[in-house]
Amino acid sequence: SQELEQSPQSLIVQEGKNLTINCTSSKTLYGLYWYKQKYGEGLIFLMMLQKGGEEKSHEKITAKLDEKKQQSSLHITASQPSHAGIYLCGADPRANQGGKLIFGQGTELSVKP
Amino acid sequence: DAGVIQSPRHEVTEMGQEVTLRCKPISGHNSLFWYRQTMMRGLELLIYFNNNVPIDDSGMPEDRFSAKMPNASFSTLKIQPSEPRDSAVYFCASRGQYGELFFGEGSRLTVL
Repeated sequence: SQELEQSPQSLIVQEGKNLTINCTSSKTLYGLYWYKQKYGEGLIFLMMLQKGGEEKSHEKITAKLDEKKQQSSLHITASQPSHAGIYLCGADPRANQGGKLIFGQGTELSVKP
Repeated sequence: DAGVIQSPRHEVTEMGQEVTLRCKPISGHNSLFWYRQTMMRGLELLIYFNNNVPIDDSGMPEDRFSAKMPNASFSTLKIQPSEPRDSAVYFCASRGQYGELFFGEGSRLTVL
């Protein structure tokens, strides 16, 4: 079965610094989804990547999917305290769109003011 | 627009009691998912429905767990009898047109 591994497991950065979170799959990804979760709350959808080499940005967050579609990265530029939370990557393990998503264990981000 | 709505937000019960969690998906979404989140195991899929029909329930822990979706706007997850190891946050999600899932706020269950 497909597994998603995220690194690092936790991250503490100074406000204003850049950071990168990685998500690696044991198999080809047919859809890679990034979510953010704050403690005690639900998951908020950030971005979806489907094509090899695809890159998307929203405000100061950029997500990329490598050409082989087995690794994705989430990059935050000039981090702010509002970026703190748990970031999870999710993937559709099947080629046809519309199935269940499996998730990585999450990366906990703390931003020090 | 209303998102996925779950109730209750918090439930504290005693071992052996029946627990029912409820979910209202986003209107127009045809697929609904129940996940469980714990520190040890992360986010696990329990069961999902397409057009009110259960498609994959391989993640349901055991017979004590059951889920129903009687219509397109309502689903329940029931645990009977509950055990302390069932303590977790249970999330419901519905799927958008691009495969992305929209999650509710979760139901935090504590079984004493």
